[in-house]
Order: sequence, then C-alpha cells, then structure tokens
Amino acid sequence: DQQVKQNSPSLSVQEGRISILNCDYTNSMFDYFLWYKKYPAEGPTFLISISSIKDKNEDGRFTVFLNKSAKHLSLHIVPSQPGDSAVYFCAASVNYRDDKIIFGKGTRLHILP
Amino acid sequence: GAGVSQSPRYKVAKRGQDVALRCDPISGHVSLFWYQQALGQGPEFLTYFQNEAQLDKSGLPSDRFFAERPEGSVSTLKIQRTQQEDSAVYLCASSLDRVGEKLFFGSGTQLSVL
Repeated sequence: DQQVKQNSPSLSVQEGRISILNCDYTNSMFDYFLWYKKYPAEGPTFLISISSIKDKNEDGRFTVFLNKSAKHLSLHIVPSQPGDSAVYFCAASVNYRDDKIIFGKGTRLHILP
Repeated sequence: GAGVSQSPRYKVAKRGQDVALRCDPISGHVSLFWYQQALGQGPEFLTYFQNEAQLDKSGLPSDRFFAERPEGSVSTLKIQRTQQEDSAVYLCASSLDRVGEKLFFGSGTQLSVL
C-alpha cells in the first residue's frame, strides 16, 4: 500500500511556463514533506521541504503548497527552465517520531524549448 | 570528499554470489540510510543507522540482506546468495541528526544479477 502517491509518471511544460507537480498521501500522521530532484545516474538531491504547521513554503523559483485536509501537496516551478528537466520525488515522514522518509514513485518533468 | 560516496558504482553478480556495497557518509553525519530503487520506482527504505546502532531494519526484504556500520561512519550493505529480483540501484543517504531532516544521497550502486 503506497503511502505517498505521484499519479503522473511524466509531465511536459514549455520553457518559461509554470510546472506543477502533484503528490497525494494517505498517512495522516505525516508531518514533514520534502521534494527531491534526480538527474540520470545521480542520487536524488533535496529541493524544498514543508512542515505540516505551514501551508506554503517558497524558495526562489520553487514553492511547495500543502493542503492537509485533502492530504495533497504540490510543487510549483516558475518560470520553468531547461535545467529543471529531471525526475521529481515527493517524500514524507512522521518527523516527531523520528521515522523514516517514504518516497513516491516520481514524476519525470520535461521542459520543452 | 564533501558528499556521500558509494562504491562500486556498478556491480554485476552471478545469481547465488554474495556482494558487498560500501557507503561513506558525509563526515559528522549521525544518521545513515540505505534505500533500494528498482527501475521506474521511487527509493524504497531498507534500513537506518544512528551512529553505529541499527535502529530500523524493517525494510530489508529478506534475511539475505545485512547491513552494518561498526564505527558509526562507513556502512556496508551485504547481500548473500543474490537473486535476479535483487537487481536495482542501492542508494545510501546521510543526514546531520534527526531522521526527518533532509537526506544527502550518494550516486548509488547499480547491481545487476544475471
């Protein structure tokens, strides 16, 4: 049973436009959420995180939105750039319990020129 | 180096062979994790160390999988009697202290069992 779900395996967005990647979770105990970015032949790298006490966190071109009632989070990238083409993983943990981070299956983002 | 280092980068094993995968975490990082990533999937948790103590090994798929971190730094993931279903990328990650903090991943070891 997948606790973190990324239902879109891939997404194509025009350069300069907004990219929106979605993630749903089932475990209501999750209190810390992260996005990781992965290029081929490299390990995932941390992008941005959000605690469950917030509903938005922004870092430059990247913003993560959290809707706890819907158990849904999204990553917005504005404006999208060619270097943003990668696989994006949504992840979550029960932070107060020092529990492991659970990853979704990922969404492959293609930025079109 | 400054990042998490994993070796070997690629490993080809014959079915039934034992393999050992090494991880050098970032210096000073207390927590160390092993994840398994099958093709087209996200990383799946295997096991977690805090210093030398293995606090969670609930993700290890069978008793053929064994991990250690004897001095609280370098870790080794050992797979005995490898099977074809063990073929995957094995990722090691470390974090400064708490589990929920962001993880720093190595590039992984790609294991192919023939």
